[in-house]
Amino acid sequence: GNSVTQMEGPVTLSEEAFLTINCTYTATGYPSLFWYVQYPGEGLQLLLKATKADDKGSNKGFEATYRKETTSFHLEKGSVQVSDSAVYFCALVTGTASKLTFGTGTRLQVTL
Amino acid sequence: GAGVSQSPSNKVTEKGKDVELRCDPISGHTALYWYRQSLGQGLEFLIYFQGNSAPDKSGLPSDRFSAERTGGSVSTLTIQRTQQEDSAVYLCASSLETGNYEQYFGPGTRLTVT
Repeated sequence: GNSVTQMEGPVTLSEEAFLTINCTYTATGYPSLFWYVQYPGEGLQLLLKATKADDKGSNKGFEATYRKETTSFHLEKGSVQVSDSAVYFCALVTGTASKLTFGTGTRLQVTL
Repeated sequence: GAGVSQSPSNKVTEKGKDVELRCDPISGHTALYWYRQSLGQGLEFLIYFQGNSAPDKSGLPSDRFSAERTGGSVSTLTIQRTQQEDSAVYLCASSLETGNYEQYFGPGTRLTVT
């Protein structure tokens, strides 16, 4: 079956620090990979995605590269802001079913 | 345009009672999904509907859970004889089609079973 493993949180960073949130996966078939973000009091939103190996998804300064050889999709941002404080979920889908399989989520807290 | 809406936003019910949760997807989206977010289990897939095809119910945790989608639009998730372990946030999402299309999530219904 499919599974996603992401680093335990919470991650606490100072503003302008570099962010990495690790995500690895196992999948039957060839997955598409996603990062979703949940801001406090809000619903889940798609942050970025990649659908094939070596693709890089990017949005709002965040990036993640689909690494088939290491089955990873780590989320990075060069300089975080307080407004980036949220819970980040790595996820995948395979085949035509489109059922998202999520990681457990990583809470990011950015302080001044 | 309007996003995915869900109602009620909060529901408190007594153990053993039935509850209905409603989802209004984005107009024109043919695929609709239900997920559950709980402290113990994280985010779990429950069921999805695609057009007129039979729904994929593979994620429903027990036969107390059922869902329907009327007219290819609104969906209702029903939980019968609720148990305390059903307490969670129930999320609905819709997408243009299945595949790599983005799933847009609603704000969720927080269910508390006392």
